[in-house]
Order: sequence, then C-alpha cells, then structure tokens
Amino acid sequence: GQNIDQPTEMTATEGAIVQINCTYQTSGFNGLFWYQQHAGEAPTFLSYNVLDGLEEKGRFSSFLSRSKGYSYLLLKELQMKDSASYLCAVTDSNYQLIWGAGTKLIIKP
Amino acid sequence: EADIYQTPRYLVIGTGKKITLECSQTMGHDKMYWYQQDPGMELHLIHYSYGVNSTEKGDLSSESTVSRIRTEHFPLTLESARPSHTSQYLCASSDTTDYNEQFFGPGTRLTVL
Repeated sequence: GQNIDQPTEMTATEGAIVQINCTYQTSGFNGLFWYQQHAGEAPTFLSYNVLDGLEEKGRFSSFLSRSKGYSYLLLKELQMKDSASYLCAVTDSNYQLIWGAGTKLIIKP
Repeated sequence: EADIYQTPRYLVIGTGKKITLECSQTMGHDKMYWYQQDPGMELHLIHYSYGVNSTEKGDLSSESTVSRIRTEHFPLTLESARPSHTSQYLCASSDTTDYNEQFFGPGTRLTVL
C-alpha cells in the first residue's frame, strides 16, 4: 500500500528553527509537495521537490532524498503565525497526490 | 483574477435533506477534486475528475455524487444528508502537467442535525 508518515504534533519556540520530517512509500514518485493549513482554512502551497537536494524559499526550505523516501521542511525564525498544520504529499506513478495526515506545529512565545 | 470558489461557506441542515455544494474555478484546469476533512484530521479524497464528462470515486467511500458538465464547474450532491456527513468539504483543481500542484477553494463547513 501507499503510506506517508509525519509526526502528529510538534512544539517550538518563537524565533527558533524547526524541522518537520516526512517519509513515504508510494508506487512510483513524481514529486513531493509541502502545504500549510491553518485551522479551519484550506491548504496552501509551500514547496515542491522532484530532484534530490534542498530548495530554499525565504524562511522555509524543503529537502528531498528519493533513495531514502525522505523529505523535511525546515522553518527558520519562527513566528506565531507559523502555528498551523504542515501536510506532506507525494505524486505517485499515476500522478495521483497521496496526502500525509499532517503535522500540527505549535509555536510558543 | 484566476481563482477557485466554493459556496456556501457554511451550511446547517436537517437530516434527510438533499444538498449541492458548489465549486467553480477560473484557472482553466482540467483536473478537479473533492476532499472531506474532519477537524485536525487528514484529507480524504472522495471524488475527482480529469475533464468534462469524467468522474471517479476516490479512496474514501462516500454517499455523495458529482458531475462535470463544464470544465469550470464540479458540484457535489448529497441526496439525503445524515449527521455522519458533518465535516469540511474542500474542492481543489490542478492542470494536466506532471507538476500537479493542487489549488484549494476556501471550503464548505457542513453540519447535519
């Protein structure tokens, strides 16, 4: 079967750095997405990785290792508004998007 | 401005009622999706479409139906609502390239009494 694993919840301090991990086992791989979802709102796109390595976009970076079936999202200089769920999603061989359950990130002052 | 819209945003109805949740997108995307999401839980794909007159059931068994008569419009219908249908319903769309980024509408929060 297809499976995406993320921690259920993480807590971090304002101004700090946090890394959210995602491991996946899917039938094929055609890219990995990270989305942010605030409570009660729709998911919004953060990043996309299809090749190994690090993609940096402002305070957010995303890393991919296809051989290990592993990705992480790195958030720097955390702000209170970063409190949200972070969803990892993989495009499989049929170009279907397989979603993880999401990681709820709690930021404390 | 290209966007994806859902109406109503909030809906409270009684058991047994028939309802249609509307979803429209002005991005010219061929692919459209309906997800169901309970608070704090994961997204569950209930229906998707790859173009006009194409509809498929997703991973989550659902008593709803969809239609795709026009590219921009993908309504979801519940023939007889039940309290177990209480949830948030999210519509999304993507284009036909391999990139497959999905753009989401604001969602409809449905409560069935």
